[in-house]
Amino acid sequence: DAGVIQSPRHEVTEMGQEVTLRCKPISGHDYLFWYRQTMMRGLELLIYFNNNVPIDDSGMPEDRFSAKMPNASFSTLKIQPSEPRDSAVYFCASSPRDWYEQYFGPGTRLTVT
Amino acid sequence: AQSVAQPEDQVNVAEGNPLTVKCTYSVSGNPYLFWYVQYPNRGLQFLLKYITGDNLVKGSYGFEAEFNKSQTSFHLKKPSALVSDSALYFCAVRRAGANNLFFGTGTRLTVIP
Repeated sequence: DAGVIQSPRHEVTEMGQEVTLRCKPISGHDYLFWYRQTMMRGLELLIYFNNNVPIDDSGMPEDRFSAKMPNASFSTLKIQPSEPRDSAVYFCASSPRDWYEQYFGPGTRLTVT
Repeated sequence: AQSVAQPEDQVNVAEGNPLTVKCTYSVSGNPYLFWYVQYPNRGLQFLLKYITGDNLVKGSYGFEAEFNKSQTSFHLKKPSALVSDSALYFCAVRRAGANNLFFGTGTRLTVIP
C-alpha cells in the first residue's frame, strides 16, 4: 500500500483565498483524522471521521474551516477565507477498524501571505 | 480530560549511550499510550504502543517504553542511541472507549556522534 496520500505537499496562497487540502487514506481504514501542526500549538486534532461520517469536529478552529469525506477513499479540508494565522502543516491520518495506531501522511505545508 | 506532558523540549545524548525521553499522562480510566517519531519534513511514524499486558513494550528500531501506572508515566528508552535516531518524538494518550488521540508537545532528540 502507498500509505496515506496528501496533496498538495506545499501550498502558498494570499490572505482571503480559498484553500483545499486533499487526503487519500489507506484502503480499508475506517477512521480518518485531520491534524494541524504549528510551533506554538504543537499537534492539534481538527476533526475525525468514522466510515465517512464526521464524529468530532470540536477542534475545528472556526467556521472558515470545513471538512468533508464524500467516500471511503477521499477527504478534503477547506479553508475559506484563509488568513496568515492558518499557516501550518496539516496532516491527515487514517487507522483501521479495530484501530490503535494511526498512520500519517506526509503533510501539506500551508503558507498564507 | 486527557493530557500528556513531555517535560523536556530537547534531549541530547552521545552516540552509543542509553537514551530516555520522558512522558507523563493524565486520563480517566485505562490509558492507551503511544510513541510516534517525526523526521524532518515527514509525517509522524508509529513506534510502539501500550494497551494492556506487560508494562514493558518493545517497538520499532530498538525502542522500548515502560508503562508505570503509579507514576502515570510512559518513558521511551533505547539502550544504545544512533545518530539516525535524531528526530522529534511525540507521546500520545487515548482513553479506553474514546477514538481521538491527545499528543504531547514533542521532544527533540539529538544524538551526538
